[in-house]
Amino acid sequence: EAGVVQSPRYKIIEKKQPVAFWCNPISGHNTLYWYRQNLGQGPELLIRYENEEAVDDSQLPKDRFSAERLKGVDSTLKIQPAELGDSAVYLCASSLADSSYTFGSGTRLTVV
Amino acid sequence: AQSVSQHNHHVILSEAASLELGCNYSYGGTVNLFWYVQYPGQHLQLLLKYFSGDPLVKGIKGFEAEFIKSKFSFNLRKPSVQWSDTAEYFCAVRGTGGFKTIFGAGTRLFVKA
Repeated sequence: EAGVVQSPRYKIIEKKQPVAFWCNPISGHNTLYWYRQNLGQGPELLIRYENEEAVDDSQLPKDRFSAERLKGVDSTLKIQPAELGDSAVYLCASSLADSSYTFGSGTRLTVV
Repeated sequence: AQSVSQHNHHVILSEAASLELGCNYSYGGTVNLFWYVQYPGQHLQLLLKYFSGDPLVKGIKGFEAEFIKSKFSFNLRKPSVQWSDTAEYFCAVRGTGGFKTIFGAGTRLFVKA
């Protein structure tokens, strides 16, 4: 079974530039999460989807971050424009309802 | 609000030593509890979980954790660590009825061969 697939693995951009991350969850997993993990900290939830509906985006900085999950399968997280403080690892995870998560490898973003 | 506290940020042990990593949480209701592990260069993966029943749960690679409700704790243990246990360990808590999981800051374990 393929795991949660994320791309790219690494991204370096200049501040004020846009960036997008892509996630393909495990087939059949209706719940998809985007987390951000800063250096030395645990993952922090940005947004949770149930199928194609964003049911918890309270921690998503909506002035510059956006996400979508068209057709309730894969998802894209975008930052526009990026700031220096956005440097972090962006993790995607999926699950079946209230089961445990399966994480992807993450995208390490460096904003210079 | 939910919160998770992991007591140690860094732990260094010699092989065959016993391990206990502390985790305390703050939440007023029923919880699901998890330990995730991230080996160097790999993604986060589930080590063990507690949903209900026996408060002593066993996970992969000889790890176990005990849920003590009165202490709001879910400490991770292993009687004898190996060099391959070098990793970062994250405790996580989810209030039942909601699917938002809160993670602790992580404990980085280094096992000396």
